[in-house]
Amino acid sequence: QSALTQPASVSGSPGQSITISCTGTSSDVGSYNLVSWYQQHPGKAPQLILYAVSQRPSGVSNRFSGSKSGDTASLTISGLQTEDEADYYCCSYAGSRTLVFGGGTKLTVL
Amino acid sequence: EVQLLESGGGLVQPGGSLRLSCAASRFTFSNYAMNWVRQAPGKGLEWVAFISDSGGTTFYADFVKGRFTISRDNSINTLYLQMNSLRVEDTAVYYCAKEGPLVAAFDSWGQGALVSVSS
Repeated sequence: QSALTQPASVSGSPGQSITISCTGTSSDVGSYNLVSWYQQHPGKAPQLILYAVSQRPSGVSNRFSGSKSGDTASLTISGLQTEDEADYYCCSYAGSRTLVFGGGTKLTVL
Repeated sequence: EVQLLESGGGLVQPGGSLRLSCAASRFTFSNYAMNWVRQAPGKGLEWVAFISDSGGTTFYADFVKGRFTISRDNSINTLYLQMNSLRVEDTAVYYCAKEGPLVAAFDSWGQGALVSVSS
């Protein structure tokens, strides 16, 4: 159960778009359309922002979108806002009811 | 709004035991699978354990298998994590998380309970 690979940090200016990648293997990301993304502000619990690769829970802004190609999933945030500055984690089903998270990406809004 | 409230965290010596509880409210607890996820200080999230809605099925991450036990009492809407043979590397904030629309979709989280393992 090795962690999924995410860039340690990304940055962007308000109004811009950024994409965070999440690379796994054929045993997790590549095998299941069960990738979710979480946003975590400092000192707070994570919050679900995408599930099943590209589905948004009720109340989550449509500025957040997701996709997947092969063993890599991606989170795109468009129209960056200062409140988007946070840590972002991907998570994938890995079979037998086990899950694996990515190492996390710190998003800085300049 | 769903509420999940963890308790039972604290400081314990290596080799010791601790039991975390997660009190659930404002949703039908017995209808949902639950999980524990942890986060070491300054580190990323790690999935720890899963339990089905009935409690009849459980799964664990390899690094806690044989040491931790997840359980639930649907009569009092409470999730548990019994942690034995604790190691320094188990130091983390432990979150209980409700499984939402699909597997790997945790739509509600508790505020977390800090477990510190140190001599």
